[in-house]
Amino acid sequence: DGGITQSPKYLFRKEGQNVTLSCEQNLNHDAMYWYRQDPGQGLRLIYYSQIVNDFQKGDIAEGYSVSREKKESFPLTVTSAQKNPTAFYLCASTQGLHLNTEAFFGQGTRLTVV
Amino acid sequence: AQSVTQPDIHITVSEGASLELRCNYSYGATPYLFWYVQSPGQGLQLLLKYFSGDTLVQGIKGFEAEFKRSQSSFNLRKPSVHWSDAAEYFCAVGGAGSARQLTFGSGTQLTVLP
Repeated sequence: DGGITQSPKYLFRKEGQNVTLSCEQNLNHDAMYWYRQDPGQGLRLIYYSQIVNDFQKGDIAEGYSVSREKKESFPLTVTSAQKNPTAFYLCASTQGLHLNTEAFFGQGTRLTVV
Repeated sequence: AQSVTQPDIHITVSEGASLELRCNYSYGATPYLFWYVQSPGQGLQLLLKYFSGDTLVQGIKGFEAEFKRSQSSFNLRKPSVHWSDAAEYFCAVGGAGSARQLTFGSGTQLTVLP
């Protein structure tokens, strides 16, 4: 079945560490996205990528980095510069910029700083 | 800039009662509107979407939504709520030509009483 796989489901990070969240899709979608979700704030866009080897900052990119070396993969690194990384992270994909596009989401990764 | 407002943070209804979740949007052109549902600790699932045509759209799980341009609203409705509908609901607006695709509201948490 086609879909988006995020791993791990739960992740714990010590202060000062970088961690990488995985996102893989087999939908052959061109565009991929990372959102951060905090209680009462909905989803906020961190980074997005329309094509391989290209990505753009979203609304809250500070302290995060991404890469898009393959069409199916869009890993997110939460760096030590991110002051408050504890949150639920969602990866999504869409079929490019088609007007009737629909976003497909992974199951999320819950990151906790310990 | 596009934006979405969901004025109700939390709604409680009894099983079998009708439901309406409010969504107001701000967008400079014809919007593309979506409702997503999220169960605890999970990703988002698309309930329904509006792009053009009939302003009353039907979705999965018995949900429907009505687009009212004059009120900039896209409210979600269900005639009879089931206990399994308890979840968080997000309204989103997107636009043609924008790789950022979707702007989400802050969500409405639905509790269903037996």
